[in-house]
Amino acid sequence: QQQVKQSPQSLIVQKGGISIINCAYENTAFDYFPWYQQFPGKGPALLIAIRPDVSEKKEGRFTISFNKSAKQFSLHIMDSQPGDSATYFCAASTGYSTLTFGKGTMLLVSP
Amino acid sequence: DAGVIQSPRHEVTEMGQEVTLRCKPISGHNSLFWYRQTMMRGLELLIYFNNNVPIDDSGMPEDRFSAKMPNASFSTLKIQPSEPRDSAVYFCASSLRPPGEETQYFGPGTRLLVL
Repeated sequence: QQQVKQSPQSLIVQKGGISIINCAYENTAFDYFPWYQQFPGKGPALLIAIRPDVSEKKEGRFTISFNKSAKQFSLHIMDSQPGDSATYFCAASTGYSTLTFGKGTMLLVSP
Repeated sequence: DAGVIQSPRHEVTEMGQEVTLRCKPISGHNSLFWYRQTMMRGLELLIYFNNNVPIDDSGMPEDRFSAKMPNASFSTLKIQPSEPRDSAVYFCASSLRPPGEETQYFGPGTRLLVL
């Protein structure tokens, strides 16, 4: 019930392409969906987050798409750059719970 | 401003030894989290403190693991005795208020290798 399933496990995208990472959840009480970005040797850092009252949120080249009926959300990175190469974690929580993280997607953007 | 500070950054120890990991959260943050990261299991929450009080320790793997937060600016995670399967990166994170929609700020992690 608390799981957040993330796919793919790894992803290689050419520079300038679109990177897409997907997450699915079961707990309908989840109402906050952040994405964290982690560079090698560093801790994760908040990238972008969405609440279920909107279907999309965009910040620069990063967009979260949210499908409440399907219980799925995804991260789209437009015009992917080598500097975007990192591990990306989706997560979910209720108003009071701790974050439940997906297992992560290792993104490599080739020059 | 200093972020979350963890020490040591790297630790190599032998099976059976005691390991102590340390964390200094961001000043003014009331919530502190300890996570373990492995390739197989991803990021796992071990324990969460609010106002120095342990709120949820359901993620602590077994009695060999213990965590304390004696004051608002310091926390420790202790493993005694350590085992090779404890090898992982351990992260400490803090947030301004209790979890939910609060941003968690992660430290750089402690990479632990138990031989």
